[in-house]
Amino acid sequence: NAGVTQTPKFQVLKTGQSMTLQCAQDMNHEYMSWYRQDPGMGLRLIHYSVGAGITDQGEVPNGYNVSRSTTEDFPLRLLSAAPSQTSVYFCASTLNNEQFFGPGTRLTVL
Amino acid sequence: AQTVTQSQPEMSVQEAETVTLSCTYDTSENNYYLFWYKQPPSRQMILVIRQEAYKQQNATENRFSVNFQKAAKSFSLKISDSQLGDTAMYFCAFMKPLGPGTYKYIFGTGTRLKVLA
Repeated sequence: NAGVTQTPKFQVLKTGQSMTLQCAQDMNHEYMSWYRQDPGMGLRLIHYSVGAGITDQGEVPNGYNVSRSTTEDFPLRLLSAAPSQTSVYFCASTLNNEQFFGPGTRLTVL
Repeated sequence: AQTVTQSQPEMSVQEAETVTLSCTYDTSENNYYLFWYKQPPSRQMILVIRQEAYKQQNATENRFSVNFQKAAKSFSLKISDSQLGDTAMYFCAFMKPLGPGTYKYIFGTGTRLKVLA
């Protein structure tokens, strides 16, 4: 099993550009989530999904969209990037109360 | 609302010594889980240890152990025989199951641990 994979590992955007962070898992987990990690703030939940076709907002959803068309994939979209979205982004999937994290994407918005 | 507090932003320990990282949380729930995650410079989040709130016995994983004080809402991590590879950011996390297949995680702000040679 590859576990949770994320692409890209690094990305630099200009303000106003859009992009999609990819996340996939091959463990057939229903619950998936996106976090952002900022210095001194730990991990904060952006969006989550309890299964294909079902998504909901987390603590900091503004500026981000998600969709869940399959169990495996859970992409995160930035529609119009802002410098405040400079962060490290983690995707995770959860089963039986254990959370598995992807390797993260470091995003810089100039 | 649940909160998780890690009051030590940075700590250091000499190689082979023992260090304790503190974590306190606030909740009115009775059914929950607590975790410690390690994040080395590679950025990967690695589960170190987990504790089910209904278990009185403290969890142990090799050199890592916890002191779970449910009444005091305290969940500290003890690292024995510290190794250079233990240098990392450590996050304490609280998790409450919300229903079948649904979870709520709250993370602390992290403690940066440096093991000195």
